[in-house]
Amino acid sequence: QQPVQSPQAVILREGEDAVINCSSSKALYSVHWYRQKHGEAPVFLMILLKGGEQKGHDKISASFNEKKQQSSLYLTASQLSYSGTYFCGTQGSGGYQKVTFGIGTKLQVIP
Amino acid sequence: EPEVTQTPSHQVTQMGQEVILRCVPISNHLYFYWYRQILGQKVEFLVSFYNNEISEKSEIFDDQFSVERPDGSNFTLKIRSTKLEDSAMYFCASSLRGGPTDTQYFGPGTRLTVL
Repeated sequence: QQPVQSPQAVILREGEDAVINCSSSKALYSVHWYRQKHGEAPVFLMILLKGGEQKGHDKISASFNEKKQQSSLYLTASQLSYSGTYFCGTQGSGGYQKVTFGIGTKLQVIP
Repeated sequence: EPEVTQTPSHQVTQMGQEVILRCVPISNHLYFYWYRQILGQKVEFLVSFYNNEISEKSEIFDDQFSVERPDGSNFTLKIRSTKLEDSAMYFCASSLRGGPTDTQYFGPGTRLTVL
């Protein structure tokens, strides 16, 4: 079952912050975040594992709340290069190899 | 930096024809995947492959689809008799170990257009 992402789309001005949420109705073992620019392949951002993990690099970070079966991606002081569609992908403890993606959140950063 | 490569970048075919999409995974990776993305929609899992066998497949991956690792470097997806609804971007991915802790690296994709 695919995870649910919100919001579906967001427009930011450069320097503003954004939060993208991902939730699942099933127990999760891990959450993967990818960014895809138009016409390109998804690019891996980070994996979070169960246990309340938080990660980040540069101004993009994420958290995973295993109990709530939710993950959030935080983009701080957004740059034009952050524009793209952000997908969360989830892996359950069952079919542990495949990643099931949400429909994506389209992020546009404008000057 | 090693990367997954895919050929061709764009394939146009007539409905009912067979197509083979090719991928060269990262050389020391052991798990291979195919995903597809219909224009404007989400990425969908098709199949995973390990140790020369399919380890998992989705409901999309029916009898028209097959995968093969014909040699030590290539990983192919064959669609036997293409349908209009097979038009999509097909991504190959590979990971070192598989499992939920391992990153899947995506190739640039092959855009398949079925006329």
